Amino acid sequence: DVKVTQSSRYLVKRTGEKVFLECVQDMDHENMFWYRQDPGLGLRLIYFSYDVKMKEKGDIPEGYSVSREKKERFSLILESASTNQTSMYLCASSSPPREVTGELFFGEGSRLTVL
Amino acid sequence: QKEVEQNSGPLSVPEGAIASLNCTYSDRVSQSFFWYRQYSGKSPELIMSIYSNGDKEDGRFTAQLNKASQYVSLLIRDSQPSDSATYLCAVNGRQAGTALIFGKGTTLSVSS
Repeated sequence: DVKVTQSSRYLVKRTGEKVFLECVQDMDHENMFWYRQDPGLGLRLIYFSYDVKMKEKGDIPEGYSVSREKKERFSLILESASTNQTSMYLCASSSPPREVTGELFFGEGSRLTVL
Repeated sequence: QKEVEQNSGPLSVPEGAIASLNCTYSDRVSQSFFWYRQYSGKSPELIMSIYSNGDKEDGRFTAQLNKASQYVSLLIRDSQPSDSATYLCAVNGRQAGTALIFGKGTTLSVSS
């Protein structure tokens, strides 16, 4: 089975801290994604990547950056955490070539609280 | 801005009934359509995908797609309490590099 692992299930950080959310997938998927999910707003795409060292902005990239140094790992970085970044963060991966997006496999999520 | 619209619900049906979940999308070039189920506190999991106009059946689930009307639906027959969850409609576009755009989800409650 495909496994997408997010390093932290729950994090509590202070405003202004730098936060790293790590995601690793074990199925050699090309595509990886970061979403955040908030009540009433649904799943919103932050960043995605179709190849190593490649990244593309999603709908809400402001305040975030990403890193993909290895195919299996996709990191989300909050350079200076703010309270409005308190959310559930979901990492996902998929295998098809970039022209077609197929099934997304999600990690268990990282619930971040910024105080 | 591409949009995917769903009624937030809650949609309440008795056990054994048919639950009908609806979704509309704004981008006419969308080619792939998905339904994800998300239990409270869990991650979304794929239950159906559909790419062509018409119906696609998988067990108790039927996905229906009408590209002319930009409409996709999910029917759940013989609804069970275990079907109680939030159902997310997701759509992608044709252009390379487009990721899935999700609706806000419809919460389904099946009472026994």
